[in-house]
Amino acid sequence: GAGVSQSPSNKVTEKGKDVELRCDPISGHTALYWYRQSLGQGLEFLIYFQGNSAPDKSGLPSDRFSAERTGGSVSTLTIQRTQQEDSAVYLCASSLAGGAITDTQYFGPGTRLTVL
Amino acid sequence: KNQVEQSPQSLIILEGKNCTLQCNYTVSPFSNLRWYKQDTGRGPVSLTIMTFSENTKSNGRYTATLDADTKQSSLHITASQLSDSASYICVVRRGNEKLTFGTGTRLTIIP
Repeated sequence: GAGVSQSPSNKVTEKGKDVELRCDPISGHTALYWYRQSLGQGLEFLIYFQGNSAPDKSGLPSDRFSAERTGGSVSTLTIQRTQQEDSAVYLCASSLAGGAITDTQYFGPGTRLTVL
Repeated sequence: KNQVEQSPQSLIILEGKNCTLQCNYTVSPFSNLRWYKQDTGRGPVSLTIMTFSENTKSNGRYTATLDADTKQSSLHITASQLSDSASYICVVRRGNEKLTFGTGTRLTIIP
């Protein structure tokens, strides 16, 4: 596809369950980012993958959150033992070369997660 | 503390009117500033990017300004259209590090 895609678009889960969110970046983009957007809040950085380098996990809020990027393409964000405060829109973005200061991030439509 | 603040939080204007959105930042060292448009249920889309030496940049009916001395930016929308209804997010890059996002201005255009 031409843009970043994410699935599912909506996810409703019960507190304590695990969830997996998927991101398909733009083909050829080496950098991939995950963000969280809570109601009334700015985007919150979660994790950053750049090529084969070790990911920057400095934004992950707790050890319940983890992410993988297989083969330098598709990424999965996993939230274990979900809590109600995890409810938010999770946005994925990719860019051609994450290190360039003018590098443009292209965002997917997001996954809206609701934890009951 | 490195922050980006936007005002107003929300704005409602009539179709065809102009409006200006504000962004103040304390991010340092400054690398660049972007304005993103986020339609409801969609991801943000970059409108403009401005570096330290740029004062004004236009993209169609959107004109962004930057005053690096006062650390302020504005986004001016001319002759608004219904499709301009969205959230507008100011994003500042600190050096070569991660981005700092403002909380956005929710703009509603009414016919």
